[in-house]
Amino acid sequence: AQKVTQAQTEISVVEKEDVTLDCVYETRDTTYYLFWYKQPPSGELVFLIRRNSFDEQNEISGRYSWNFQKSTSSFNFTITASQVVDSAVYFCALVNNDMRFGAGTRLTVKP
Amino acid sequence: DAGVIQSPRHEVTEMGQEVTLRCKPISGHDYLFWYRQTMMRGLELLIYFNNNVPIDDSGMPEDRFSAKMPNASFSTLKIQPSEPRDSAVYFCASSPGLAGKQFFGPGTRLTVL
Repeated sequence: AQKVTQAQTEISVVEKEDVTLDCVYETRDTTYYLFWYKQPPSGELVFLIRRNSFDEQNEISGRYSWNFQKSTSSFNFTITASQVVDSAVYFCALVNNDMRFGAGTRLTVKP
Repeated sequence: DAGVIQSPRHEVTEMGQEVTLRCKPISGHDYLFWYRQTMMRGLELLIYFNNNVPIDDSGMPEDRFSAKMPNASFSTLKIQPSEPRDSAVYFCASSPGLAGKQFFGPGTRLTVL
């Protein structure tokens, strides 16, 4: 069975701190895709990144970076120098022939 | 591009009434997804379509829920009869592929009294 676990329900940091959101997944498939989505307080869901299972290169986009490690079945998301606008719920998702979203991590960045 | 369009944005109805939620996907996207989000259960995939054909409806909670996609530019999610526990935000999303980036609509906030 496929599963996505975001063990951190809520995280609170102070602005400019670095923060890592964990995502651990389970699948028996060798081909799959991993995603991160952001849901700010306004409610819409916004795509952040997609990774396929054959591409373990880490990715950096501005203050955002993602660490994909197949050996530990993890796809963690780090925000460097967090800002108040980063406050949102972040979802990790696994897709192959099925789709599973994690429960989400609510990040609060305080000024 | 207008993005994914959902209507209505808010719906308040009484228990037992029929509710119809509407979605217009992004033109050219072959996949359409319906999700439900609640505090208790988080984000749940209800059903998705590929080229207007329902592929996986295992997330549909019960027979009171039905979804259709009569053409590439329109889909409906119907609840009949509605119950208070159906209160949630319902999102529609579209994507060029199953594993592609999904574009979400703004959601419909449903309240069943």
